[in-house]
Amino acid sequence: GENVEQHPSTLSVQEGDSAVIKCTYSDSASNYFPWYKQELGKGPQLIIDIRSNVGEKKDQRIAVTLNKTAKHFSLHITETQPEDSAVYFCAASWRTSYDKVIFGPGTSLSVIP
Amino acid sequence: DVKVTQSSRYLVKRTGEKVFLECVQDMDHENMFWYRQDPGLGLRLIYFSYDVKMKEKGDIPEGYSVSREKKERFSLILESASTNQTSMYLCASGTGSSPYEQYFGPGTRLTVT
Repeated sequence: GENVEQHPSTLSVQEGDSAVIKCTYSDSASNYFPWYKQELGKGPQLIIDIRSNVGEKKDQRIAVTLNKTAKHFSLHITETQPEDSAVYFCAASWRTSYDKVIFGPGTSLSVIP
Repeated sequence: DVKVTQSSRYLVKRTGEKVFLECVQDMDHENMFWYRQDPGLGLRLIYFSYDVKMKEKGDIPEGYSVSREKKERFSLILESASTNQTSMYLCASGTGSSPYEQYFGPGTRLTVT
């Protein structure tokens, strides 16, 4: 069935270090891969996405990579700051009879000052 | 800024009670969604709506129903609450221009005792 796996489930890094979160998906029809950040007490917020015809995308300190052959995609955060501490969700999305979005289980990132 | 509000942040109900969770968005979005969020499972879609009076089942609709009488309001109904419905419930809205560009409310933490 449709599934998105995400690793690690928890991640602690020192301020200034990089953080990497990896996801795999099962459905070959997936062609959009968004990432969401959920801060404490708030709903998830879309922070970046990548489409299936692109291998890499960067936005300031955040970059995403996609390997469609292997069905892997990753989020890279460089020069981490305490405000990066949150739960991050990857997702795979595609259009069928309706817009389908399957979320990964989430990664709790802690940036230690 | 898009604003999605949910009627309660915390709710405690007894088994068998009928529960209403209300969601209101102020951006004239056509699409609205209800998710539940559980640790280790990510977000799972319960129901969604693409238009007033229209509703579609998501991945886990059992035990839930919805109502959309006005474009800005989408209600989730638990006809007879059970303890396994204890969870965080998130409402989202979107324009539908891309399937995953959804704006989330802060969530309602529901406890059923």
